[in-house]
Amino acid sequence: DAGITQSPRHKVTETGTPVTLRCHQTENHRYMYWYRQDPGHGLRLIHYSYGVKDTDKGEVSDGYSVSRSKTEDFLLTLESATSSQTSVYFCAISWDNNEQFFGPGTRLTVL
Amino acid sequence: AQSVTQLDSQVPVFEEAPVELRCNYSSSVSVYLFWYVQYPNQGLQLLLKYLSGSTLVKGINGFEAEFNKSQTSFHLRKPSVHISDTAEYFCAVSVRGSGGGADGLTFGKGTHLIIQP
Repeated sequence: DAGITQSPRHKVTETGTPVTLRCHQTENHRYMYWYRQDPGHGLRLIHYSYGVKDTDKGEVSDGYSVSRSKTEDFLLTLESATSSQTSVYFCAISWDNNEQFFGPGTRLTVL
Repeated sequence: AQSVTQLDSQVPVFEEAPVELRCNYSSSVSVYLFWYVQYPNQGLQLLLKYLSGSTLVKGINGFEAEFNKSQTSFHLRKPSVHISDTAEYFCAVSVRGSGGGADGLTFGKGTHLIIQP
């Protein structure tokens, strides 16, 4: 494995509450990504980071924000969770050749 | 923008038979191509990648894929499958020269490979 952990691994929350997911890497890779996986949609990019404090939006960024204050940590925040954000969230990292390594995922359920 | 189409959502195959999982992509610029595998309740693992050079790419677990630029395809093949190959397979692309993957991957919707004994 590429030294990526995600926390929590499972979370159940209620509509309207804030939620923060954490991705931690020990590989010192420059690029980090957040994806969501939904049946029939594959994986879709939410946000990505190309360095400390450098982030940008992906395909499905509405309702999500991110922060990266250290190379090793990339946080994904749902400011006010909705049922449509029930999904499996994957973090990925990349050095510079486009190959991405994925974390184990976080299963989020919004009731 | 680029897009990826995996033509089959589900492919049932008998054990020890050959299999081909199809992937077509659309992009106005040159791309890198990837196949990932996801076993139940796990993350994604890279099977193989095409960055440049030979269009026939060999990956892990006996899989290979061929890049066909004229047909914008990157089909995945295995000559003889095993029960352990049962998984979800994803084709993905990224844009060449995007600063080393900064823009992320665009995935297909996945193909569920079902191996029948």
